[in-house]
Amino acid sequence: GEDVEQSLFLSVREGDSSVINCTYTDSSSTYLYWYKQEPGAGLQLLTYIFSNMDMKQDQRLTVLLNKKDKHLSLRIADTQTGDSAIYFCAVTGRDDKIIFGKGTRLHILP
Amino acid sequence: KAGVTQTPRYLIKTRGQQVTLSCSPISGHRSVSWYQQTPGQGLQFLFEYFSETQRNKGNFPGRFSGRQFSNSRSEMNVSTLELGDSALYLCASSPGGQIGGNEQFFGPGTRLTVL
Repeated sequence: GEDVEQSLFLSVREGDSSVINCTYTDSSSTYLYWYKQEPGAGLQLLTYIFSNMDMKQDQRLTVLLNKKDKHLSLRIADTQTGDSAIYFCAVTGRDDKIIFGKGTRLHILP
Repeated sequence: KAGVTQTPRYLIKTRGQQVTLSCSPISGHRSVSWYQQTPGQGLQFLFEYFSETQRNKGNFPGRFSGRQFSNSRSEMNVSTLELGDSALYLCASSPGGQIGGNEQFFGPGTRLTVL
């Protein structure tokens, strides 16, 4: 079935760039998302990209899509302590469902 | 605009009981989706309602059901609770139309613990 994979943990020093990676199996996915979840809160949409785009930049966030390899990444420049959260990759699957990865917990080192 | 609200925020039940969770979407939003979040399985799609009709459904047993009212508020019900139903249940609303391409706004979730 459709699947979205991402590593579970990432540690980054404050001020460095964070790169969170995701792979997916459904090549027909049209929309690809990055969500952020802070402790005790629901998910917040950070950004999304259409499958016909290679890159999208929004302030400190850069999304890269390699459709051939079915690989999506989220780069956070100048990582701050407030970026500490769980980041979910998600893609639209068949029947217009959204399939989520299990999330990458980003830990910021001082 | 008020965000998505979910009630209750926390719930403790015992095995075999049933539970009803409530979600009020953002005003004007007609689509409500429900997700179950657990550490082991991550975020899994339960179902989506649009204009009082179930438009999409995930792979959950029939013990999980839902409905949507004319004001777009939605409830989900879990009958004959099992220990494995312990999870954070998230509700998300979106304006309508297709899910893909429409931002989903998530509520804070209801944390259900089954003892």
